Amino acid sequence: DIQMTQSPSSLSASVGDRVTITCRASQPISNYLNWYQQKPGKGPKLLIYAASTLQSGVPSRFSGSGSGTDFTLTISSLQPEDFATYFCQQIYIAPPCSFGQGTKLAIK
Amino acid sequence: EVQLVESGGGLVKPGGSLRLSCAASGFTFNRAWMSWVRQTPGEGLEWVGRIKSNVDGETTDYAAPVKGRFTISREDSKNTLYLQMNSLEDEDTAVYYCTTDGGKWELREVGAFDTWGQGTKVTVSS
Repeated sequence: DIQMTQSPSSLSASVGDRVTITCRASQPISNYLNWYQQKPGKGPKLLIYAASTLQSGVPSRFSGSGSGTDFTLTISSLQPEDFATYFCQQIYIAPPCSFGQGTKLAIK
Repeated sequence: EVQLVESGGGLVKPGGSLRLSCAASGFTFNRAWMSWVRQTPGEGLEWVGRIKSNVDGETTDYAAPVKGRFTISREDSKNTLYLQMNSLEDEDTAVYYCTTDGGKWELREVGAFDTWGQGTKVTVSS
């Protein structure tokens, strides 16, 4: 199975900051990489699919990039509602798909 | 409004059984591939299994830890997804989410899930 490793596992930042979260796959997965945001008590919300395509309704401050094994999720200017946990997911060889362990973004 | 609502979670003893349900609304359920994903504090998100649409044969796939113990089914006339869990183990304790691509080909192609329920908690403990 393909393992997904996110970094950092947690970070603190301020409103207005630019933040980057990294996801690395244990083998190349082309662009079969999706990003989700999860807030406490809720199911995940799809932000980015196919590595760089913004899901409908998601603010343009979110962007994704990468291909192969290394991917990034960038939030260009943090807003108060962005403090949450972020997960990457691969489905290159599926089933099963697999998720990263999550990155918790907290207010500094 | 697109919505998934899980139910049926609870406390069950090791070796016991439980059936989860997921009621869907706001999209064409019979076209959607449906999945179950579970979440534990220590292990994060783990895909449990999937059922394809009727037109795609209602084929099921399962993660290795649950294969042979869990069964996913669907009842399109009721817009409802099920997860039958047998021979439950402590390690099955988690919040269980149903999720879907909503029948959207561009999401299915990359395995993205654009709709999630709020989750139902399953606790396996003696």
